[in-house]
Amino acid sequence: DTEVTQTPKHLVMGMTNKKSLKCEQHMGHRAMYWYKQKAKKPPELMFVYSYEKLSINESVPSRFSPECPNSSLLNLHLHALQPEDSALYLCASSQESHAGGQETQYFGPGTRLLVL
Amino acid sequence: AQKVTQAQTEISVVEKEDVTLDCVYETRDTTYYLFWYKQPPSGELVFLIRRNSFDEQNEISGRYSWNFQKSTSSFNFTITASQVVDSAVYFCALSAKGNSGYSTLTFGKGTMLLVSP
Repeated sequence: DTEVTQTPKHLVMGMTNKKSLKCEQHMGHRAMYWYKQKAKKPPELMFVYSYEKLSINESVPSRFSPECPNSSLLNLHLHALQPEDSALYLCASSQESHAGGQETQYFGPGTRLLVL
Repeated sequence: AQKVTQAQTEISVVEKEDVTLDCVYETRDTTYYLFWYKQPPSGELVFLIRRNSFDEQNEISGRYSWNFQKSTSSFNFTITASQVVDSAVYFCALSAKGNSGYSTLTFGKGTMLLVSP
């Protein structure tokens, strides 16, 4: 089973709202990722968690706050977003992230976020 | 620095035609991994294949085949007898252990394939 689930599928929020995106995997993977994808562009890495610890933050603005409560769950807390933050947010997981690049990342279906 | 180039932005074919998606990569690492992902309109990135830098054997999976040539730093993807369901954006990606010690994916810009009936 290579399933990564994400909720919600769609989200509309105002610039003053606080919302959270959720991601879950039950493959026993120890690395989890958040990506942002704008239309007609490739995914851009935002955060990497390895063994529930934040390993990489690609200079993401603080209005995006990741959280990894346990090895199966990954959240992305959103606060005071801007309209340009509207995008598809993808979660992914892999066995590990230290394995020299060989780990396959499996992606969820994404959350389509619209910021008004 | 790593780079993946997918020079074809969009390709349109008629069903049952064969189509090849090109991917050229750059890396200084001697050990690296190459991937292809499919992204249908629904949005999910679907993993298709992983190939490591030491394995230059071509691979065939049903109507899909991949041609890895280290000499030209290319990892091309061919769909034989294309079908409407093959319509999607296809991403080629490269992974290597970066300076941070963590593996990250470098994606190409993607090729949108449209297969019409």
